[in-house]
Amino acid sequence: DQQVKQNSPSLSVQEGRISILNCDYTNSMFDYFLWYKKYPAEGPTFLISISSIKDKNEDGRFTVFLNKSAKHLSLHIVPSQPGDSAVYFCAASASGTYKYIFGTGTRLKVLA
Amino acid sequence: SQTIHQWPATLVQPVGSPLSLECTVEGTSNPNLYWYRQAAGRGLQLLFYSVGIGQISSEVPQNLSASRPQDRQFILSSKKLLLSDSGFYLCAWSVLGGVQYFGPGTRLLVL
Repeated sequence: DQQVKQNSPSLSVQEGRISILNCDYTNSMFDYFLWYKKYPAEGPTFLISISSIKDKNEDGRFTVFLNKSAKHLSLHIVPSQPGDSAVYFCAASASGTYKYIFGTGTRLKVLA
Repeated sequence: SQTIHQWPATLVQPVGSPLSLECTVEGTSNPNLYWYRQAAGRGLQLLFYSVGIGQISSEVPQNLSASRPQDRQFILSSKKLLLSDSGFYLCAWSVLGGVQYFGPGTRLLVL
């Protein structure tokens, strides 16, 4: 049972435009969410987080939105840059469990 | 600042051989430690995590085991590798249930 889903395996966006990466979850106990960026043959790099007490968190070009009723979160990258081309993972955790469930990732390609 | 090390970076092993991957963290005390595997074209699968020395939780029944002999050392082992053990192995640390920070990974190819 996949508790965290990233239904789009890949996404292509023109440089300068907005990239929107989506993530859905099924477990209503999840209350903390992370987004990571991963280049090939490297470890994932933390990008941004959001707690369930918020519906939006912003850090520079990256904004994460959380819709608890829909059990959906999204990562917006504006403006997209070629260096943003990577695989993006969302991850979810429930308080006190100390572990995260990761989605299968979305490969973003930003075209110059 | 905190850093996390994994070695080796790449490993090619024959089927049936043993495995030992090591992960160490610097700059923090009593971290939570994690082992993940990313199979080709797949997401990150949590294998083991540890909240303290000698405390190991296994997430997926498999051919692997983990140990935490010291506070900032986490070891992934196998007595006999299978072809299906091939993948990219990642170690991560966190403080309690916070953000996890990943090491550079070990690419394991079992032939």
